[in-house]
Amino acid sequence: GDSVTQMEGPVTLSEEAFLTINCTYTATGYPSLFWYVQYPGEGLQLLLKATKADDKGSNKGFEATYRKETTSFHLEKGSVQVSDSAVYFCALRGDGGATNKLIFGTGTLLAVQP
Amino acid sequence: DGGITQSPKYLFRKEGQNVTLSCEQNLNHDAMYWYRQDPGQGLRLIYYSQIVNDFQKGDIAEGYSVSREKKESFPLTVTSAQKNPTAFYLCATSPGQLNTGELFFGEGSRLTVL
Repeated sequence: GDSVTQMEGPVTLSEEAFLTINCTYTATGYPSLFWYVQYPGEGLQLLLKATKADDKGSNKGFEATYRKETTSFHLEKGSVQVSDSAVYFCALRGDGGATNKLIFGTGTLLAVQP
Repeated sequence: DGGITQSPKYLFRKEGQNVTLSCEQNLNHDAMYWYRQDPGQGLRLIYYSQIVNDFQKGDIAEGYSVSREKKESFPLTVTSAQKNPTAFYLCATSPGQLNTGELFFGEGSRLTVL
């Protein structure tokens, strides 16, 4: 079945460092891909999305490109801030029968130090 | 304010007791979802409802029950049949009946079984 694999954390960076959180997926057809963020003590918020191959999603300085050839959707940010400390989830919505399911990765904790 | 309200935020339960978690939304969204979040396992879908008076099982429905008598409300009951109920529970909504992958989340309810 469809699945999402993302790098284990925690990822610890200094402020203004470059961030990459890896995400790869397994799915038939052409899934839609998402990054969600969960700040401490809160629910998840949609950060960005891409619905077809080669699309780039972007928001708040974060970017991710839908790469079908490598089945990847890595999250990047050029210069992280302390306020970016959170758990980041990669997610997939398939285009097959189970279209009402959003499949999440296990989450990656990012800790940014001043 | 428009949003999703989950209550209670924290709940303690003795083994053998049923508990009901509340989820109310004033976003006028059609679909509502319940997810369970465990450390290192990401989010797993318990139940979802696309329309009033209808709901479907997700991946881990055993030991849980739901109802959708009103568009605004989707309560989750954790029954004594749930073997390992201690977890963080998240309610989510989406505007249409079809899940586009863009979900809106509440702040969650943390259930601890003593």
